[in-house]
Amino acid sequence: RKEVEQDPGPFNVPEGATVAFNCTYSNSASQSFFWYRQDCRKEPKLLMSVYSSGNEDGRFTAQLNRASQYISLLIRDSKLSDSATYLCVALNSGGYQKVTFGTGTKLQVIP
Amino acid sequence: DAGVTQSPTHLIKTRGQQVTLRCSPKSGHDTVSWYQQALGQGPQFIFQYYEEEERQRGNFPDRFSGHQFPNYSSELNVNALLLGDSALYLCASNRVMNTEAFFGQGTRLTVV
Repeated sequence: RKEVEQDPGPFNVPEGATVAFNCTYSNSASQSFFWYRQDCRKEPKLLMSVYSSGNEDGRFTAQLNRASQYISLLIRDSKLSDSATYLCVALNSGGYQKVTFGTGTKLQVIP
Repeated sequence: DAGVTQSPTHLIKTRGQQVTLRCSPKSGHDTVSWYQQALGQGPQFIFQYYEEEERQRGNFPDRFSGHQFPNYSSELNVNALLLGDSALYLCASNRVMNTEAFFGQGTRLTVV
């Protein structure tokens, strides 16, 4: 079983739709979580950190459920420019950071 | 601020050869991590360097080795290249214990 699992998609949604991605992690020692966005043939870029209390950045909301060991990302009012692969990341900070990426979920926003 | 820079951007090597990839971290960052990203997959952690020492390592064979220099820049070396080593190699930097990491644009390695 992979340490971080995501549905690879693709998720094809119309502009303006709300879409949610889930990610599960198996290592209970994971302490910090992030969502990265990766455009085709580009490097990943940090989208947002994920906190237990939930956090929101504009149209994006991230949630962490430690009991069930999953992380979610909600995108409201989808834009064409949101089309990308969204990578879930778990970080174990036992001294130095061990970072584990999920395989990514591909989102395609359709006009 | 130049951010994280990697060189070269593209590389073609033959099976059995050796390759060296280079990374300069973002200004103010002292920790460098390397990742391998195969097509359609998420980045896989190779190793992390801090204070010129390897601090964490993922599940990669000893053919993958690295180095960090006093100016915090880093190299990734891969010996005895296999076709399966073809991938995008990403370097990320951060300040130690600071979780926000920034990625370079990657080196696309093709082994033929």
